[in-house]
Amino acid sequence: ETGVTQTPRHLVMGMTNKKSLKCEQHLGHNAMYWYKQSAKKPLELMFVYNFKEQTENNSVPSRFSPECPNSSHLFLHLHTLQPEDSALYLCASSLHRLGRSGANVLTFGAGSRLTVL
Amino acid sequence: DAKTTQPPSMDCAEGRAANLPCNHSTISGNEYVYWYRQIHSQGPQYIIHGLKNNETNEMASLIITEDRKSSTLILPHATLRDTAVYYCIVRFVSGSARQLTFGSGTQLTVLP
Repeated sequence: ETGVTQTPRHLVMGMTNKKSLKCEQHLGHNAMYWYKQSAKKPLELMFVYNFKEQTENNSVPSRFSPECPNSSHLFLHLHTLQPEDSALYLCASSLHRLGRSGANVLTFGAGSRLTVL
Repeated sequence: DAKTTQPPSMDCAEGRAANLPCNHSTISGNEYVYWYRQIHSQGPQYIIHGLKNNETNEMASLIITEDRKSSTLILPHATLRDTAVYYCIVRFVSGSARQLTFGSGTQLTVLP
């Protein structure tokens, strides 16, 4: 248990479904992140939130919609996904906001394994 | 574009030291070097980070060259549970954001 909890751990959905991934941290961190890890590929940064404000969207398709209601919770809403979206989705948090100089250690959750049929 | 270069794979005998190299020749200014590892299908786990001086914690040691263009992660007594992909990461600036970007890492296999 790292302090970052992701649910569900496994999700299977059809292309017409709507589902959400949830991430929760009670580490007192101020920044939260969504990463995508496809098979045999490096982690890809998707979204970044600092103090609940989205500060980075790395050209992610609109079928992925993030939501950060407070600094402890982060959601990834999924709608009309494609089979190639099947991947491990990882949430992370860090104490400091991006852009702040100095060390910035990420704490990751265990991930949500998504399969799109 | 890769900011770090690591060998794709390495083997190490159980009980021996594992030395994982990383090249980060374009590292700038006051950017830190971070090491994470990812055991199959789990989230990455933070190991250690450093700026200029060598660092040691309960998991590993980090040796950074004087010119800061490369570093080595040392697991002093590797166990089978240390088998994982090890990522060496430096922060870089992308527009208004500073990101930690993960490359392909080194697959370390600890052999019995």
